[in-house]
Amino acid sequence: AQSVTQPDIHITVSEGASLELRCNYSYGATPYLFWYVQSPGQGLQLLLKYFSGDTLVQGIKGFEAEFKRSQSSFNLRKPSVHWSDAAEYFCAVVEGNKLVFGAGTILRVKS
Amino acid sequence: DGGITQSPKYLFRKEGQNVTLSCEQNLNHDAMYWYRQDPGQGLRLIYYSQIVNDFQKGDIAEGYSVSREKKESFPLTVTSAQKNPTAFYLCASTQRTGDQETQYFGPGTRLLVL
Repeated sequence: AQSVTQPDIHITVSEGASLELRCNYSYGATPYLFWYVQSPGQGLQLLLKYFSGDTLVQGIKGFEAEFKRSQSSFNLRKPSVHWSDAAEYFCAVVEGNKLVFGAGTILRVKS
Repeated sequence: DGGITQSPKYLFRKEGQNVTLSCEQNLNHDAMYWYRQDPGQGLRLIYYSQIVNDFQKGDIAEGYSVSREKKESFPLTVTSAQKNPTAFYLCASTQRTGDQETQYFGPGTRLLVL
């Protein structure tokens, strides 16, 4: 079975600082990968996805992620964080007809 | 407006009671999913359905039941056999393009036990 690891449960960054959220997956072939964001009490919103091709993927809200096969990673980045980015972020990988999710990383933004 | 709707937003269950959570989508998606979310545990799959009149158990199906009589609707029943039902429940549906599938989520229902 596939698994997704998000090593950081909580991350705190200052507003305007850069951000990198880590995601590692276990999968033998080329994975289909996703990042979602969830505000408190809300559903999940898709930020970006990777199926194939260019390993640097652009998403909404100024986020990007880079697929690195050699490191089995799909880290999410943003050059300058805004207070409205405070939320929980989930990485996910496709396994058959299902998505396997990481446990999530809670992002706190300090002013 | 196309999207996924879940109702109610909050639901209260008494001991021994079955409750049903609604999930409707007008995106013409074939596949639909139910997840349970508990703090610090991410999302866990309860049931999913690839087509009408067919569904499969996910990782934590015990104490839950579903039906898929219409493409647009995938209700989840939390039965009295589910001893710890307090959680946030998320419904999703899948847009398929070739072999690439993308899941989109509804706003969720929070279930609380009285």
